[in-house]
Amino acid sequence: QQQVKQSPQSLIVQKGGISIINCAYENTAFDYFPWYQQFPGKGPALLIAIRPDVSEKKEGRFTISFNKSAKQFSLHIMDSQPGDSATYFCAASMLGGSEKLVFGKGTKLTVNP
Amino acid sequence: DVKVTQSSRYLVKRTGEKVFLECVQDMDHENMFWYRQDPGLGLRLIYFSYDVKMKEKGDIPEGYSVSREKKERFSLILESASTNQTSMYLCASGGLTGLGSSPLHFGNGTRLTVT
Repeated sequence: QQQVKQSPQSLIVQKGGISIINCAYENTAFDYFPWYQQFPGKGPALLIAIRPDVSEKKEGRFTISFNKSAKQFSLHIMDSQPGDSATYFCAASMLGGSEKLVFGKGTKLTVNP
Repeated sequence: DVKVTQSSRYLVKRTGEKVFLECVQDMDHENMFWYRQDPGLGLRLIYFSYDVKMKEKGDIPEGYSVSREKKERFSLILESASTNQTSMYLCASGGLTGLGSSPLHFGNGTRLTVT
């Protein structure tokens, strides 16, 4: 019940394309769903986050779509750029977001120029 | 900017050694966490702490212990290092501060090799 399942494990996209990463969870008590971005040699950094009272959140080229009934959420990267090449982790937590996060296994995104 | 500093970037230790990984945060966060990151397994929680001298087991605590004597510092201890503890270790902090709730911020990791 504590798992967050993330797919795909790796993704290759051409510059200008749309990158889509999907996550699914089981625990309906989760109420905070962040995405973290990690570049090689660095720790993960918060990219964007959503709470279940909204179905979509957009920040620049990054959009989270959230489907509460299906217990799924996804990250869309529009106009993908080579600088977006990184590993992306979805996560979920209870009680507002600063509690312990349960992470997906990560997606390695490569954007070809 | 929030800063989470891990004392070592790379460590090489021998099997059976006692290993200390240190982490310091400068944002007065209540919560601190230790994760390990392995290819294909993502980030797995080892231990976390909600306050000074308090600790809670995460998903994979076996072979590890922690210490939090001061709010800003959270140490991960490998009592007797083994080769299966070769991994990237990530410290994170977050939680309530005087300015409100803060999301999780990570350090840049310590890559530990046990030979």
